[in-house]
Amino acid sequence: KAGVTQTPRYLIKTRGQQVTLSCSPISGHRSVSWYQQTPGQGLQFLFEYFSETQRNKGNFPGRFSGRQFSNSRSEMNVSTLELGDSALYLCATSTILNSPLHFGNGTRLTVT
Amino acid sequence: AQTVTQSQPEMSVQEAETVTLSCTYDTSESDYYLFWYKQPPSRQMILVIRQEAYKQQNATENRFSVNFQKAAKSFSLKISDSQLGDAAMYFCAYRISNFGNEKLTFGTGTRLTIIP
Repeated sequence: KAGVTQTPRYLIKTRGQQVTLSCSPISGHRSVSWYQQTPGQGLQFLFEYFSETQRNKGNFPGRFSGRQFSNSRSEMNVSTLELGDSALYLCATSTILNSPLHFGNGTRLTVT
Repeated sequence: AQTVTQSQPEMSVQEAETVTLSCTYDTSESDYYLFWYKQPPSRQMILVIRQEAYKQQNATENRFSVNFQKAAKSFSLKISDSQLGDAAMYFCAYRISNFGNEKLTFGTGTRLTIIP
């Protein structure tokens, strides 16, 4: 079974630009969560989607948004990039209630 | 709000020895899950072990075991017979047991070094 696939693996953008990251879950996984990992703030929850609906949202500004498609694939978008958005963005997926999360390898975003 | 604290930023252990990583958490919930995740340089977070709060028995997965003290809100990870492949960042995490809430709250991590 293929694991959680995140694309791209690396991304370099300049301030003010926008970026879209993609996450393809393990087959059968319908819940997709996103996390931001930085040296200063650690791992922080961004949002979670299930059946194309956002169920939870972390404490991030509105520049961070996401969506989930009918095939459970998810994208997150960051608009008007700031230097502080440089981070590793991790996607995690699961089947249903209380099943373990499976993480992808992440997308390393660098904002210059 | 739930918080997870890992007080050991770095730990080291000789190969084949045993090491214990500490984790404490704060919550007002009675039903929840606790996890240990491992993040090697490849960046992928790998689930090491999971504990349901309603279970008194400590979880065990091969060389990995936990000491879950619910009243003390403590959840330590013991790695026996340490191997070079165990070198990684280890994160303790908490999740409420509630449908519709997959949010994990992570600690700041412990970097584990294995000395050959």
